[in-house]
Amino acid sequence: NAGVTQTPKFQVLKTGQSMTLQCAQDMNHEYMSWYRQDPGMGLRLIHYSVGAGITDQGEVPNGYNVSRSTTEDFPLRLLSAAPSQTSVYFCASSYLDREYYGYTFGSGTRLTVV
Amino acid sequence: KNQVEQSPQSLIILEGKNCTLQCNYTVSPFSNLRWYKQDTGRGPVSLTIMTFSENTKSNGRYTATLDADTKQSSLHITASQLSDSASYICVVTNTGFQKLVFGTGTRLLVSP
Repeated sequence: NAGVTQTPKFQVLKTGQSMTLQCAQDMNHEYMSWYRQDPGMGLRLIHYSVGAGITDQGEVPNGYNVSRSTTEDFPLRLLSAAPSQTSVYFCASSYLDREYYGYTFGSGTRLTVV
Repeated sequence: KNQVEQSPQSLIILEGKNCTLQCNYTVSPFSNLRWYKQDTGRGPVSLTIMTFSENTKSNGRYTATLDADTKQSSLHITASQLSDSASYICVVTNTGFQKLVFGTGTRLLVSP
Protein backbone atom coordinates (compact mmCIF):
# COMPACT_ATOMS: atom_id res chain seq x y z
CA ASN A 1 0.00 0.00 0.00
CA ALA A 2 1.86 3.08 -1.29
CA GLY A 3 -0.43 5.73 0.29
CA VAL A 4 0.13 9.15 -1.31
CA THR A 5 2.89 9.35 -3.91
CA GLN A 6 4.30 12.66 -5.08
CA THR A 7 6.66 13.20 -7.99
CA PRO A 8 9.16 14.65 -8.50
CA LYS A 9 10.82 15.02 -5.10
CA PHE A 10 12.95 17.95 -6.23
CA GLN A 11 12.62 20.40 -9.10
CA VAL A 12 14.35 23.57 -10.24
CA LEU A 13 12.50 25.83 -12.66
CA LYS A 14 13.33 29.05 -14.41
CA THR A 15 10.98 31.99 -14.00
CA GLY A 16 8.17 31.73 -16.52
CA GLN A 17 8.40 27.97 -17.05
CA SER A 18 5.43 25.75 -16.42
CA MET A 19 5.31 22.31 -14.86
CA THR A 20 3.01 19.78 -13.24
CA LEU A 21 3.48 18.28 -9.80
CA GLN A 22 2.03 14.80 -9.69
CA CYS A 23 0.05 13.29 -6.83
CA ALA A 24 -1.48 9.82 -6.74
CA GLN A 25 -3.19 7.88 -3.96
CA ASP A 26 -4.23 4.25 -3.85
CA MET A 27 -6.56 4.38 -0.84
CA ASN A 28 -9.73 5.30 -2.74
CA HIS A 29 -10.09 8.52 -0.76
CA GLU A 30 -12.56 11.00 -2.19
CA TYR A 31 -10.96 14.13 -0.80
CA MET A 32 -7.55 15.37 -1.97
CA SER A 33 -5.74 18.64 -1.41
CA TRP A 34 -2.55 20.54 -2.12
CA TYR A 35 -0.61 22.57 0.45
CA ARG A 36 2.53 24.64 0.36
CA GLN A 37 4.93 24.93 3.28
CA ASP A 38 7.14 27.99 3.62
CA PRO A 39 9.68 28.81 6.34
CA GLY A 40 8.09 30.38 9.40
CA MET A 41 4.57 29.68 8.17
CA GLY A 42 2.10 26.89 8.65
CA LEU A 43 0.95 24.79 5.72
CA ARG A 44 -1.45 26.71 3.50
CA LEU A 45 -4.15 25.21 1.33
CA ILE A 46 -3.79 25.85 -2.41
CA HIS A 47 -6.60 23.80 -4.00
CA TYR A 48 -8.72 20.87 -3.00
CA SER A 49 -11.08 18.34 -4.53
CA VAL A 50 -14.01 16.53 -2.93
CA GLY A 51 -14.21 13.96 -5.71
CA ALA A 52 -13.50 13.26 -9.36
CA GLY A 53 -14.54 16.22 -11.49
CA ILE A 54 -14.90 18.62 -8.55
CA THR A 55 -12.22 21.11 -7.49
CA ASP A 56 -12.19 24.35 -5.53
CA GLN A 57 -9.78 27.04 -4.42
CA GLY A 58 -8.08 27.17 -1.08
CA GLU A 59 -6.30 29.99 0.70
CA VAL A 60 -3.51 30.66 -1.84
CA PRO A 61 -4.71 29.51 -5.31
CA ASN A 62 -3.19 32.21 -7.55
CA GLY A 63 -0.71 30.88 -10.09
CA TYR A 64 -1.86 27.27 -9.74
CA ASN A 65 -4.32 25.05 -11.59
CA VAL A 66 -5.73 21.65 -10.69
CA SER A 67 -7.96 19.03 -12.23
CA ARG A 68 -9.37 15.74 -10.93
CA SER A 69 -10.26 13.36 -13.73
CA THR A 70 -9.91 10.22 -11.57
CA THR A 71 -10.22 9.42 -7.87
CA GLU A 72 -6.54 8.44 -7.75
CA ASP A 73 -4.81 11.44 -9.33
CA PHE A 74 -4.74 15.13 -8.43
CA PRO A 75 -2.01 17.01 -10.35
CA LEU A 76 -1.02 20.59 -9.55
CA ARG A 77 0.03 22.79 -12.45
CA LEU A 78 2.17 25.88 -12.21
CA LEU A 79 1.21 28.03 -15.15
CA SER A 80 4.17 30.47 -15.22
CA ALA A 81 6.57 29.88 -12.36
CA ALA A 82 7.64 32.80 -10.18
CA PRO A 83 10.30 32.96 -7.45
CA SER A 84 7.48 33.43 -4.91
CA GLN A 85 6.41 29.87 -5.70
CA THR A 86 9.64 28.48 -4.31
CA SER A 87 8.32 26.21 -1.59
CA VAL A 88 7.74 22.66 -0.48
CA TYR A 89 4.48 21.27 -1.80
CA PHE A 90 2.47 18.56 -0.07
CA CYS A 91 -0.42 16.58 -1.44
CA ALA A 92 -2.86 14.97 0.98
CA SER A 93 -5.78 12.61 0.72
CA SER A 94 -8.37 12.21 3.42
CA TYR A 95 -11.25 10.03 4.53
CA LEU A 96 -14.09 10.31 7.02
CA ASP A 97 -13.15 8.43 10.19
CA ARG A 98 -16.23 8.52 12.45
CA GLU A 99 -16.53 12.20 13.38
CA TYR A 100 -13.49 13.71 11.66
CA TYR A 101 -11.41 13.45 8.52
CA GLY A 102 -8.10 11.63 8.73
CA TYR A 103 -5.31 12.91 6.49
CA THR A 104 -2.46 11.11 4.77
CA PHE A 105 0.27 13.36 3.39
CA GLY A 106 2.74 12.65 0.65
CA SER A 107 6.45 13.15 1.21
CA GLY A 108 6.53 16.46 -0.64
CA THR A 109 8.05 18.15 -3.69
CA ARG A 110 10.73 20.76 -3.06
CA LEU A 111 10.47 23.36 -5.81
CA THR A 112 12.97 26.13 -6.46
CA VAL A 113 12.21 28.85 -9.00
CA VAL A 114 15.22 30.87 -10.14
CA LYS B 1 -8.66 35.79 12.72
CA ASN B 2 -8.18 32.02 12.96
CA GLN B 3 -4.67 31.39 14.23
CA VAL B 4 -2.62 28.63 15.82
CA GLU B 5 0.49 29.60 17.76
CA GLN B 6 3.08 27.17 19.03
CA SER B 7 5.86 27.49 21.54
CA PRO B 8 8.73 27.15 21.80
CA GLN B 9 9.88 27.56 18.21
CA SER B 10 12.72 25.15 18.84
CA LEU B 11 13.91 22.97 21.67
CA ILE B 12 16.96 20.82 22.44
CA ILE B 13 16.72 18.08 25.06
CA LEU B 14 18.89 15.18 26.12
CA GLU B 15 17.92 11.67 25.17
CA GLY B 16 15.74 10.09 27.84
CA LYS B 17 14.34 13.38 29.12
CA ASN B 18 10.72 14.51 28.92
CA CYS B 19 9.44 17.65 27.23
CA THR B 20 6.19 19.52 26.68
CA LEU B 21 5.21 21.53 23.63
CA GLN B 22 2.50 24.18 23.72
CA CYS B 23 -0.24 25.21 21.32
CA ASN B 24 -2.68 28.14 21.66
CA TYR B 25 -5.42 28.73 19.14
CA THR B 26 -8.11 31.22 18.26
CA VAL B 27 -9.90 29.06 15.68
CA SER B 28 -13.65 29.23 15.96
CA PRO B 29 -15.91 27.38 15.69
CA PHE B 30 -13.77 24.50 16.90
CA SER B 31 -14.09 20.94 15.61
CA ASN B 32 -10.93 19.09 16.59
CA LEU B 33 -7.24 19.55 17.34
CA ARG B 34 -4.47 17.43 15.87
CA TRP B 35 -0.80 16.98 16.54
CA TYR B 36 1.46 15.92 13.69
CA LYS B 37 5.09 14.84 13.59
CA GLN B 38 7.09 15.90 10.54
CA ASP B 39 10.49 14.38 9.97
CA THR B 40 12.95 16.34 7.83
CA GLY B 41 12.13 15.87 4.16
CA ARG B 42 8.86 14.04 4.87
CA GLY B 43 5.20 14.86 5.07
CA PRO B 44 3.35 15.31 8.39
CA VAL B 45 2.21 12.14 10.15
CA SER B 46 -0.71 12.17 12.57
CA LEU B 47 0.02 11.56 16.27
CA THR B 48 -3.30 12.38 17.94
CA ILE B 49 -6.69 13.88 17.17
CA MET B 50 -8.93 15.27 19.93
CA THR B 51 -12.49 16.48 19.65
CA PHE B 52 -14.16 19.05 21.89
CA SER B 53 -15.20 16.44 24.44
CA GLU B 54 -11.75 14.89 24.86
CA ASN B 55 -9.15 16.44 27.15
CA THR B 56 -6.36 13.90 26.81
CA LYS B 57 -5.21 11.33 24.32
CA SER B 58 -2.11 9.17 24.20
CA ASN B 59 -0.15 7.50 21.42
CA GLY B 60 2.71 5.54 22.93
CA ARG B 61 5.13 8.01 24.53
CA TYR B 62 3.14 10.97 23.19
CA THR B 63 0.33 12.42 25.30
CA ALA B 64 -1.75 15.35 24.12
CA THR B 65 -4.02 17.44 26.32
CA LEU B 66 -6.75 19.87 25.35
CA ASP B 67 -8.39 22.64 27.34
CA ALA B 68 -11.17 23.90 25.08
CA ASP B 69 -12.13 26.62 27.56
CA THR B 70 -8.73 28.32 27.44
CA LYS B 71 -8.07 27.17 23.85
CA GLN B 72 -4.79 25.55 24.76
CA SER B 73 -3.22 22.20 24.00
CA SER B 74 0.04 20.55 24.92
CA LEU B 75 2.01 17.60 23.64
CA HIS B 76 4.08 15.77 26.22
CA ILE B 77 6.86 13.44 25.09
CA THR B 78 8.08 10.95 27.65
CA ALA B 79 11.54 9.35 27.73
CA SER B 80 12.64 11.00 24.50
CA GLN B 81 14.51 9.07 21.84
CA LEU B 82 16.80 10.26 19.06
CA SER B 83 14.06 9.38 16.58
CA ASP B 84 11.81 11.98 18.22
CA SER B 85 13.92 14.69 16.57
CA ALA B 86 11.42 16.33 14.21
CA SER B 87 9.00 19.22 13.88
CA TYR B 88 5.74 18.92 15.77
CA ILE B 89 2.80 20.73 14.27
CA CYS B 90 -0.45 21.64 15.98
CA VAL B 91 -3.47 21.82 13.67
CA VAL B 92 -6.97 22.99 14.54
CA THR B 93 -9.99 22.17 12.40
CA ASN B 94 -12.99 24.43 11.95
CA THR B 95 -16.42 22.89 12.08
CA GLY B 96 -17.72 22.40 8.62
CA PHE B 97 -15.72 20.76 5.92
CA GLN B 98 -11.97 20.38 5.77
CA LYS B 99 -10.69 23.72 7.06
CA LEU B 100 -7.35 22.99 8.74
CA VAL B 101 -5.41 25.81 10.40
CA PHE B 102 -1.76 24.89 10.85
CA GLY B 103 0.68 26.16 13.43
CA THR B 104 4.25 26.87 12.40
CA GLY B 105 5.58 23.97 14.44
CA THR B 106 8.12 23.33 17.17
CA ARG B 107 11.43 21.93 16.00
CA LEU B 108 12.68 19.38 18.53
CA LEU B 109 16.23 18.07 18.61
CA VAL B 110 17.00 15.14 20.91
CA SER B 111 20.69 15.03 21.65
CA PRO B 112 22.59 11.88 22.73
